[in-house]
Amino acid sequence: DAGVTQSPTHLIKTRGQQVTLRCSPISGHKSVSWYQQVLGQGPQFIFQYYEKEERGRGNFPDRFSARQFPNYSSELNVNALLLGDSALYLCASSQGLAGLYEQYFGPGTRLTVT
Amino acid sequence: SQELEQSPQSLIVQEGKNLTINCTSSKTLYGLYWYKQKYGEGLIFLMMLQKGGEEKSHEKITAKLDEKKQQSSLHITASQPSHAGIYLCGADKKNYGQNFVFGPGTRLSVLP
Repeated sequence: DAGVTQSPTHLIKTRGQQVTLRCSPISGHKSVSWYQQVLGQGPQFIFQYYEKEERGRGNFPDRFSARQFPNYSSELNVNALLLGDSALYLCASSQGLAGLYEQYFGPGTRLTVT
Repeated sequence: SQELEQSPQSLIVQEGKNLTINCTSSKTLYGLYWYKQKYGEGLIFLMMLQKGGEEKSHEKITAKLDEKKQQSSLHITASQPSHAGIYLCGADKKNYGQNFVFGPGTRLSVLP
């Protein structure tokens, strides 16, 4: 079975632009979570979606938004990019809510904001 | 402040040596997870611990959760260069009303 996939792999954007990151979960998984990982730190929780509903939101500004589609894939949108948004963005899928079930991570999208 | 603390921050060991990484929380954990990350890549799930006193092993890696469910240790026996990477503990924060959190990670290097 295919694992969690993310696209694109790398992305370079300019300050003020908008970006959309995509994630496809493992088949049968209904929950998708997004994390931001800045170099040298552990991943920081951004969003969790389960059955197309937002079930958790981390301490991130409203510039960050996400959604989950009927096929359980997900998109993370970031508006008005700042230099500080440069990070590895990780998507994880799980059978149910993260914490109750193990999460499986994709390879990540490396976002660089210049 | 970090809600999950890990120690040590980094570790360099000779191949064949044993090592232990610790993860500590100030509050009771509802599910403790260990992950391994190769530099700049996605996380690989290692083990999940949920019950106080629980211990799990996979190949040469053993993880334990203490009775109070506030501290976990990850022990690697006879380390190999393939064990090198960043080890992260993570936990469900539902008891705090939020979601999943990770520790800052422990960077392991294994010298051949």
